[in-house]
Amino acid sequence: DSGVTQTPKHLITATGQRVTLRCSPRSGDLSVYWYQQSLDQGLQFLIQYYNGEERAKGNILERFSAQQFPDLHSELNLSSLELGDSALYFCASSVGPNSNQPQHFGDGTRLSIL
Amino acid sequence: GENVGLHLPTLSVQEGDNSIINCAYSNSASDYFIWYKQESGKGPQFIIDIRSNMDKRQGQRVTVLLNKTVKHLSLQIAATQPGDSAVYFCAEGGSGGSNYKLTFGKGTLLTVNP
Repeated sequence: DSGVTQTPKHLITATGQRVTLRCSPRSGDLSVYWYQQSLDQGLQFLIQYYNGEERAKGNILERFSAQQFPDLHSELNLSSLELGDSALYFCASSVGPNSNQPQHFGDGTRLSIL
Repeated sequence: GENVGLHLPTLSVQEGDNSIINCAYSNSASDYFIWYKQESGKGPQFIIDIRSNMDKRQGQRVTVLLNKTVKHLSLQIAATQPGDSAVYFCAEGGSGGSNYKLTFGKGTLLTVNP
């Protein structure tokens, strides 16, 4: 058990809809990262928050947004969903803001767009 | 540019044998490397990491070797067990220009035959 909790585990919705994915980091970790994993793209970094502030953006679409709350949990919002958004979405957390330390992953949310 | 990749997409070994999974990277500024194991339906699980001031690090049944001259990383698993069957990812990070994120390779599927 990594200590990172993601909900829901599975989400099935239709094109054009909006969903929210939730992540609780490990106790003591201030950084939260969101990744998208698909068969053809592997693990793609989306966005990072550190202690409530956005720190870095990766390959995140404008239809997607995220935030980190004062209690350090994070939410990833996906809107105007398209078939191609079907993927596994992972959250990871680490103690500090930089990439020279382990990131610990949750078990992901599987998003299926019908 | 950044490029972390794996030489072998699949590896099949007999139970009890040693496994070696290889990874190449191209960003010479990376100074932190990490291996993850991902089992079906789960998130990537931290195995072992190594910093660029080392060329070898050992864990329980696992060893990571780093060759900075040829930008090569390997994960050795001793006495491979069926429970080791999974996809293994290498990732690079650290204090280079993209020090906010880990860059992941595509992964190698390890299958252990009983």
